[in-house]
Amino acid sequence: NAGVTQTPKFQVLKTGQSMTLQCAQDMNHEYMSWYRQDPGMGLRLIHYSVGAGITDQGEVPNGYNVSRSTTEDFPLRLLSAAPSQTSVYFCASSYSSWTGLRPLHFGNGTRLTVT
Amino acid sequence: AQTVTQSQPEMSVQEAETVTLSCTYDTSESDYYLFWYKQPPSRQMILVIRQEAYKQQNATENRFSVNFQKAAKSFSLKISDSQLGDAAMYFCAYRSTGANSKLTFGKGITLSVRP
Repeated sequence: NAGVTQTPKFQVLKTGQSMTLQCAQDMNHEYMSWYRQDPGMGLRLIHYSVGAGITDQGEVPNGYNVSRSTTEDFPLRLLSAAPSQTSVYFCASSYSSWTGLRPLHFGNGTRLTVT
Repeated sequence: AQTVTQSQPEMSVQEAETVTLSCTYDTSESDYYLFWYKQPPSRQMILVIRQEAYKQQNATENRFSVNFQKAAKSFSLKISDSQLGDAAMYFCAYRSTGANSKLTFGKGITLSVRP
């Protein structure tokens, strides 16, 4: 049981480059989300999805795109990387948007550095 | 919007002693969910304990317990018999019961354990 798998674990980009952070889960979770973690800021929600074909913005969506073509995958795209996007990115999933006490299951994160 | 405040950025505890991590939140809702997550140096996000506001009884998970004061909007985490492996960053988080409810995190507190 792999859980939530994020790739890559580390990435260095130059300003203006694009890339996709991959996230896959094998738990048949309907709810998937992306967070970024910055020092002194906690985790902030970027985008989320409550099922295939449905996505919505979180707290800090600017500069990021997402799509959800399958239940399993929820990639995060940076179209033109900026130094302000240097952060640790977490993908997390859960059974449904209304999960009660059910926790979010997190991937192990991707550390992204934009120079 | 709900906010979660962890006012202590760092704390330290002697091995085998007890430590309490503070968390307050702001909400106008009557029912909601509260969580504590642990993030060790491995970066993995691990659920420590969870509580539903509707239930007044404080949650307990082995050495971890909470002091939930609904009127004061306080949700502190108590770690008993602290171990070296408890050294980590701890995040308090809030989730409402509504559809598409999101997890709102505090900024976190770094706990060190002295041998």
